[in-house]
Amino acid sequence: KNQVEQSPQSLIILEGKNCTLQCNYTVSPFSNLRWYKQDTGRGPVSLTIMTFSENTKSNGRYTATLDADTKQSSLHITASQLSDSASYICVVSRGNAGNMLTFGGGTRLMVKP
Amino acid sequence: DVKVTQSSRYLVKRTGEKVFLECVQDMDHENMFWYRQDPGLGLRLIYFSYDVKMKEKGDIPEGYSVSREKKERFSLILESASTNQTSMYLCASRYPGTSGRNEQFFGPGTRLTVL
Repeated sequence: KNQVEQSPQSLIILEGKNCTLQCNYTVSPFSNLRWYKQDTGRGPVSLTIMTFSENTKSNGRYTATLDADTKQSSLHITASQLSDSASYICVVSRGNAGNMLTFGGGTRLMVKP
Repeated sequence: DVKVTQSSRYLVKRTGEKVFLECVQDMDHENMFWYRQDPGLGLRLIYFSYDVKMKEKGDIPEGYSVSREKKERFSLILESASTNQTSMYLCASRYPGTSGRNEQFFGPGTRLTVL
């Protein structure tokens, strides 16, 4: 069964601290993996995308890693800001054209001053 | 910038009513999608459309239908709303490509409550 599991479900950190969010998947055939950020009351927005051959991708203070052997990905946020408070969703594309998506349940991050 | 808009941010309907959710994108994307998002379940695909007048069932199409008469507009229809259809509904669009890297751009969502 194609599944994407994220942990933790929710996380509270202090402003300025780092954090790491986890994503494990059992999707096959794997095409690519995206991390999305979803602010409250808004649609998800893509942060990073990685294919099978890419094991790290950065976007500002966000760094995503991918281990295709263990089928795990992580999203590391450095020097967190209040605006990082959001849900972070791991999305795995499957199929030869990568058109079918499997979504994780998301991690809700709250950054406190 | 891609813009995906949805007709309502919040909607309250009664059981048995017919409900229309509208989605419009301004980037001439062929592919459009309707998802529902529920706590702990993530986003689940209801229907998608590869092009005008084309539609395909997603993972949870029961109780829903769709219409794609124009390229920029994709409508989700609840023929007879039920309380278990209370949810956040998200529309997305994408320019198709064989690599699968093309991003889906999401609308702001419609939070539907069925009483």
